[in-house]
Amino acid sequence: EPEVTQTPSHQVTQMGQEVILRCVPISNHLYFYWYRQILGQKVEFLVSFYNNEISEKSEIFDDQFSVERPDGSNFTLKIRSTKLEDSAMYFCASSYQGSFEQYFGPGTRLTVT
Amino acid sequence: AQKVTQAQTEISVVEKEDVTLDCVYETRDTTYYLFWYKQPPSGELVFLIRRNSFDEQNEISGRYSWNFQKSTSSFNFTITASQVVDSAVYFCALSEGETSGSRLTFGEGTQLTVNP
Repeated sequence: EPEVTQTPSHQVTQMGQEVILRCVPISNHLYFYWYRQILGQKVEFLVSFYNNEISEKSEIFDDQFSVERPDGSNFTLKIRSTKLEDSAMYFCASSYQGSFEQYFGPGTRLTVT
Repeated sequence: AQKVTQAQTEISVVEKEDVTLDCVYETRDTTYYLFWYKQPPSGELVFLIRRNSFDEQNEISGRYSWNFQKSTSSFNFTITASQVVDSAVYFCALSEGETSGSRLTFGEGTQLTVNP
């Protein structure tokens, strides 16, 4: 069964560094999403992406964040200058045209020290 | 604005007990979708069920059942004869609108612990 994959599973970085989290959505899906979950808290929407552009973003998704689909398979989330409060699990998800179910990847745990 | 409330932060039961997880939602849209996801200790999010706002029929899948009531804006989840493997955090989520690609708004989650 096809699934969303994410790399790396765990990323440790120093405050102020740039990080890129990578996702490979399910191949025939057209909608892509990033969510984050701070430890012990709820899952929060960051951004959705369709047709090579951002379709919606939350107030969390400020100028420090950007997303990109650099080729036909990858979907990336970049944090330009990480802060301690960016430490969280980041989930990528995808869905296909006409579907309302989002399929989540296993997550990348980002630790900012 | 959309909102999901899961008032039960933690629930602890003994194996074989039935347990109901509550979910109350708020939305101004007439078309919306409700979901339940399971997050086991390994951390991934596992999709359990989707319900649209026009379908109030309750659903049963094995030991799982869902009760959707628009009159009380609730979408509760019951596990019958709970098992230790059911121990996880369960999230209720809401998506508004008629088109694909809408954000999911999650509740705070309920930590379910099933003891042997």
